[in-house]
Amino acid sequence: EAQVTQNPRYLITVTGKKLTVTCSQNMNHEYMSWYRQDPGLGLRQIYYSMNVEVTDKGDVPEGYKVSRKEKRNFPLILESPSPNQTSLYFCASSLGQGGSPLHFGNGTRLTVT
Amino acid sequence: GQQVMQIPQYQHVQEGEDFTTYCNSSTTLSNIQWYKQRPGGHPVFLIQLVKSGEVKKQKRLTFQFGEAKKNSSLHITATQTTDVGTYFCAGYDYKLSFGAGTTVTVRA
Repeated sequence: EAQVTQNPRYLITVTGKKLTVTCSQNMNHEYMSWYRQDPGLGLRQIYYSMNVEVTDKGDVPEGYKVSRKEKRNFPLILESPSPNQTSLYFCASSLGQGGSPLHFGNGTRLTVT
Repeated sequence: GQQVMQIPQYQHVQEGEDFTTYCNSSTTLSNIQWYKQRPGGHPVFLIQLVKSGEVKKQKRLTFQFGEAKKNSSLHITATQTTDVGTYFCAGYDYKLSFGAGTTVTVRA
């Protein structure tokens, strides 16, 4: 089954404790992206990757890092989480050509206290 | 930069009634996409519109792309409880930008 898999689904952590949210897709998609969803603000892009070893900032990249060492994986790293990073996070992938439709993972709800 | 505005933010609908959500872009788009997110779920792709003035239908859902390719609408007829959720538009010019979404609740 074609899917985007994120882990964990829920995460509660404390300020400053490094964490990683994993994302994997099995559709051989070139394009992968991370979004955060906050009430009233819709989906805001954090980082995206057009292909292996090619990443770029989205609209809200501050406080986040990503890597794309393999085509299927695109982890999101929070080196020093802060409470304003409490949000619902989605990983998504697509063929990457001219705004192809996105396939989203199930989401990770992160709480930073 | 590109901005996509979506209205209304909330739509409370009586079951069986129709409603429309609107999406407006500050720039001319190459395409526009619509997604639906059920409560507690993730966004799921519904449809993509590419041509000026394009109209596409999916059962009770009608999607329209404006002549100037800067706006779009989603019209749902005879709303059902299964239509509950948040509908997002996403416009693509050189990047994909999401609107804030319209959250739909249905009164039975």
